[in-house]
Amino acid sequence: GENVEQHPSTLSVQEGDSAVIKCTYSDSASNYFPWYKQELGKRPQLIIDIRSNVGEKKDQRIAVTLNKTAKHFSLHITETQPEDSAVYFCAAGRGDSNYQLIWGAGTKLIIKP
Amino acid sequence: DSGVTQTPKHLITATGQRVTLRCSPRSGDLSVYWYQQSLDQGLQFLIQYYNGEERAKGNILERFSAQQFPDLHSELNLSSLELGDSALYFCASSVDLGRNTEAFFGQGTRLTVV
Repeated sequence: GENVEQHPSTLSVQEGDSAVIKCTYSDSASNYFPWYKQELGKRPQLIIDIRSNVGEKKDQRIAVTLNKTAKHFSLHITETQPEDSAVYFCAAGRGDSNYQLIWGAGTKLIIKP
Repeated sequence: DSGVTQTPKHLITATGQRVTLRCSPRSGDLSVYWYQQSLDQGLQFLIQYYNGEERAKGNILERFSAQQFPDLHSELNLSSLELGDSALYFCASSVDLGRNTEAFFGQGTRLTVV
């Protein structure tokens, strides 16, 4: 079946440094790629998403890049802060009648002071 | 607050029992999704409903079933519970089928099977 691979499973960076999380998807028909952040004990929340008609999207310190040819997309967080510590999930989906997001396994991001 | 309400927040039950988890989507959202998150694990998609009809199915066990009612709230029924069913169950909703739109998650129901 379709799947999304996410790496790394755990990422530890120094406060102020950048963090990059990568996902690879298998369904070439995927055209929607959201990223969700889940803080400890809380619900996942959308932080940024990208659609297949663009290659990059930025929102302040976070950005997502998409390479449709290679079927991978990445989340970039710059100038990391302690509040960025969380689990980040990528997902891939397509807009058809049998819609479901295929989720990555998650990356635990640890920001070291 | 996402606007998605899940009840109960916590549930402790014994193996072999049956439980029902309830979800009220955001006002106006027609799509409801159910996810299972085991300890330190990712999100496993279970099932999606749209305006009362089942639209997509993921890795949902035969012991589990769900439905969406005319008022758009949804229930997830878990039966013949096993220890391995202990997990956080999330409901999410979106305004439409979810094509390129954000899904809003509830706070989850933590199920503990003892």
